[in-house]
Amino acid sequence: DTGVSQDPRHKITKRGQNVTFRCDPISEHNRLYWYRQTLGQGPEFLTYFQNEAQLEKSRLLSDRFSAERPKGSFSTLEIQRTEQGDSAMYLCASMTSLDYEQYFGPGTRLTVT
Amino acid sequence: AQSVTQPDIHITVSEGASLELRCNYSYGATPYLFWYVQSPGQGLQLLLKYFSGDTLVQGIKGFEAEFKRSQSSFNLRKPSVHWSDAAEYFCAVEPDNNNDMRFGAGTRLTVKP
Repeated sequence: DTGVSQDPRHKITKRGQNVTFRCDPISEHNRLYWYRQTLGQGPEFLTYFQNEAQLEKSRLLSDRFSAERPKGSFSTLEIQRTEQGDSAMYLCASMTSLDYEQYFGPGTRLTVT
Repeated sequence: AQSVTQPDIHITVSEGASLELRCNYSYGATPYLFWYVQSPGQGLQLLLKYFSGDTLVQGIKGFEAEFKRSQSSFNLRKPSVHWSDAAEYFCAVEPDNNNDMRFGAGTRLTVKP
C-alpha cells in the first residue's frame, strides 16, 4: 500500500490553457474525493465518486471543471480555459465505504499565470 | 449560515506545554466531526473522529478531542506538545453523512523550543 498519489505535484500554466491532474487512490478504496485548497483556507469539497459513478458535485465545480473515474480506479480532474482564480492546491482523497477515514494525497499545486 | 469555525489562526506554545485548539460548528444536527493535521509538503492526516457515543475521543500522536453538544464544539487537546507537532490543524464536519466534508480555515501551530 503506497498511499494516495497525485501527478503532477506542481503545474504552472498560462491563463486560458487546459490542465489535467491525475489521482491514484489506495487500491481497495471505492470512494474518491477531490478538494481545492487555497492559501490560508481549509480544503473545499469539489466532487466525489463511488467506484466509477460521480455521485455528488459542489456548486464550486463550474462547467470548466470535469472529473472522471472511468474504471473505478484512478481519477482525472480537468480544468478548461484556466483562470488566475483557479490557482490552488488540488487534493485527492480516497476511502472505503466501510471505514470512515479519508486518506489524502500530497496534492497538485496549480499556478495560473 | 452553516459553517465550521476555528477562531485561532495561529497559536504558539512552548515544547512540553499543553495545547487546546478550538473548533465550533453551526449545523442543526450533530454532524460527523474530524480533526486533521497537515505538515508542509504532506497530505492531510486524520488525527481522530467522532460519530457518536463517548464524547471524549482519543486519537493518534497523543491527541484527544471532546465533543460538547451544548457548545457545538469539538476542541482538540494534547497534554504535552512536541516540536514535531508544529503543523496546520484542520477541524472538519460532515453534516448528515452526505459525503460533503466541510473544513475550517485551519490553525497553524508553532512550537517554541
